[in-house]
Amino acid sequence: GESVGLHLPTLSVQEGDNSIINCAYSNSASDYFIWYKQESGKGPQFIIDIRSNMDKRQGQRVTVLLNKTVKHLSLQIAATQPGDSAVYFCAESLAAGNNRKLIWGLGTSLAVNP
Amino acid sequence: SAVISQKPSRDICQRGTSLTIQCQVDSQVTMMFWYRQQPGQSLTLIATANQGSEATYESGFVIDKFPISRPNLTFSTLTVSNMSPEDSSIYLCSVEDLSTGVGYGYTFGSGTRLTVV
Repeated sequence: GESVGLHLPTLSVQEGDNSIINCAYSNSASDYFIWYKQESGKGPQFIIDIRSNMDKRQGQRVTVLLNKTVKHLSLQIAATQPGDSAVYFCAESLAAGNNRKLIWGLGTSLAVNP
Repeated sequence: SAVISQKPSRDICQRGTSLTIQCQVDSQVTMMFWYRQQPGQSLTLIATANQGSEATYESGFVIDKFPISRPNLTFSTLTVSNMSPEDSSIYLCSVEDLSTGVGYGYTFGSGTRLTVV
């Protein structure tokens, strides 16, 4: 299944299926992107990141795809497990003076059905 | 990656009182960040705390309401002052953690769930 992370939608998938969570980012100057997973009662946990000079990066069971032309980012989770149930946030990062600015997406809730 | 200890994990406070949240990191970090997260919503940056200088606040947040201390490179506190029910939220501290991923990663504490009654 797929979802667009604009209004904290819920994506419901069956255990074992692949999940795709989408994110539209806002700033063409953003040069670094991060996906976070937040379980109930916990802080956001880093999943995977990607620089703007890359279009794909793979981790363990997760893949991030970046399409700068349409300012779109996606997180693919292979063989989704019940432990993947959480809210997923994308974040874009860009230089702001001597520091960096982090812009957070609204989040997508992933529910994995056993 | 950095390990953050945030205290308290939750608290219920009376309106008009203040609560100080502590954030301890297991390594020295230049920048520490304080966020607020309303239930079911995304994160909103309150301020950035650099050691040795005053914190930089985002629009809508002021030092009188959210004073921050940053006495050294491993510790920071955020105080929520003169609390009202509207301050009920999750407060998170975060640090820049270049050991994660391929860029400017950030690690978060487990958060402080504040309820003001």
